[in-house]
Amino acid sequence: AQTVTQSQPEMSVQEAETVTLSCTYDTSENNYYLFWYKQPPSRQMILVIRQEAYKQQNATENRFSVNFQKAAKSFSLKISDSQLGDTAMYFCAFMKHVTSKSTFGDGTTLTVKP
Amino acid sequence: EAQVTQNPRYLITVTGKKLTVTCSQNMNHEYMSWYRQDPGLGLRQIYYSMNVEVTDKGDVPEGYKVSRKEKRNFPLILESPSPNQTSLYFCASSPGSATNEKLFFGSGTQLSVL
Repeated sequence: AQTVTQSQPEMSVQEAETVTLSCTYDTSENNYYLFWYKQPPSRQMILVIRQEAYKQQNATENRFSVNFQKAAKSFSLKISDSQLGDTAMYFCAFMKHVTSKSTFGDGTTLTVKP
Repeated sequence: EAQVTQNPRYLITVTGKKLTVTCSQNMNHEYMSWYRQDPGLGLRQIYYSMNVEVTDKGDVPEGYKVSRKEKRNFPLILESPSPNQTSLYFCASSPGSATNEKLFFGSGTQLSVL
């Protein structure tokens, strides 16, 4: 079974600064996907960024980037130039290839302060 | 518009009264799943389905039933709800293809069992 661990229940950052959210996972699979999802107060689950395990290059989406360390089973999210709208809960998620079965971490609540 | 539609958004019921939460997707996705979200516990998978008539248990299946008679629909059934099933529920779907795998979420159903 897969496990996903987010060791930071809460974090805060000043507007315009950079913050990194941590995620580690455990799996015996070789092919899988990793995601970061954002959940604002509206409760909607919004995909932030996606990484395929067979790709060594770290994924980036505008101000969001990941540091994917496959051997260490680590998948951190870096948010640059933080904005007030980034305030949300962030979930790290693992998805198995073929079956698409998914496992989520417990979440990190991020607060961006003006 | 491509979407996953869940109904109802809010539901208050009493212990033992059978209920169904509906989920429908219009993207011809192979994979569908149900999650519950509880404070501090992230999203936990209840059931998932890789195709029509194929369903499998997730991490917390007790007290729930699902069916996948059509590709687009994946209802969640609580035969005899109990207060410990009070939670926020999400339905999700994904293409099931290796090239664009990611979860699309419904808007959530807040269930309260009295």
